[in-house]
Amino acid sequence: LAKTTQPISMDSYEGQEVNITCSHNNIATNDYITWYQQFPSQGPRFIIQGYKTKVTNEVASLFIPADRKSSTLSLPRVSLSDTAVYYCLVAPNQNQGGKLIFGQGTELSVKP
Amino acid sequence: SAVISQKPSRDICQRGTSLTIQCQVDSQVTMMFWYRQQPGQSLTLIATANQGSEATYESGFVIDKFPISRPNLTFSTLTVSNMSPEDSSIYLCSAGLAENNEQFFGPGTRLTVL
Repeated sequence: LAKTTQPISMDSYEGQEVNITCSHNNIATNDYITWYQQFPSQGPRFIIQGYKTKVTNEVASLFIPADRKSSTLSLPRVSLSDTAVYYCLVAPNQNQGGKLIFGQGTELSVKP
Repeated sequence: SAVISQKPSRDICQRGTSLTIQCQVDSQVTMMFWYRQQPGQSLTLIATANQGSEATYESGFVIDKFPISRPNLTFSTLTVSNMSPEDSSIYLCSAGLAENNEQFFGPGTRLTVL
């Protein structure tokens, strides 16, 4: 499974846009890029998934360049409740194994 | 989507004993997994729980220490055997559907071994 590299921590202020970039140089053709969010004392929660270009949902946007060796999670106008750890994962779809290998994640701290 | 519950939510155990953690999913899922998370650390995959057959363990984890059962599509158990203080951690169950890469996680079981 492709290894991912992302910043250990980031600070932001309420109302700002936050962009977290993840590197995955060894991504395979059948790999998808998925981001999870984890609050303290809770299990991770799926945020968004993409294969290429741009994906947007009600929570975030995911930007993937053509070479797919990196991706950027964009959180618009963060609030205090967005303080959490964000994990970038690269894995095939479930029907090809499905297991997820978590890296260190990025601890995002949103300040008032 | 799927909602996952775990029992117990937390426990304090004595060294040398065993604890079985239960994971219940509210819908039929294809994949079920067990993870361990030390405080302040990332998640480490222990094994894939296979329905009706032996679990598939990741490097560093063995069946004798972490026996896993999955009798049907919605239920799995993880046993932490012959516990030592190093086993103190949060154990999380997750489940996924075959048609996408999203996994749903339980709230975790916080285990403290004295």
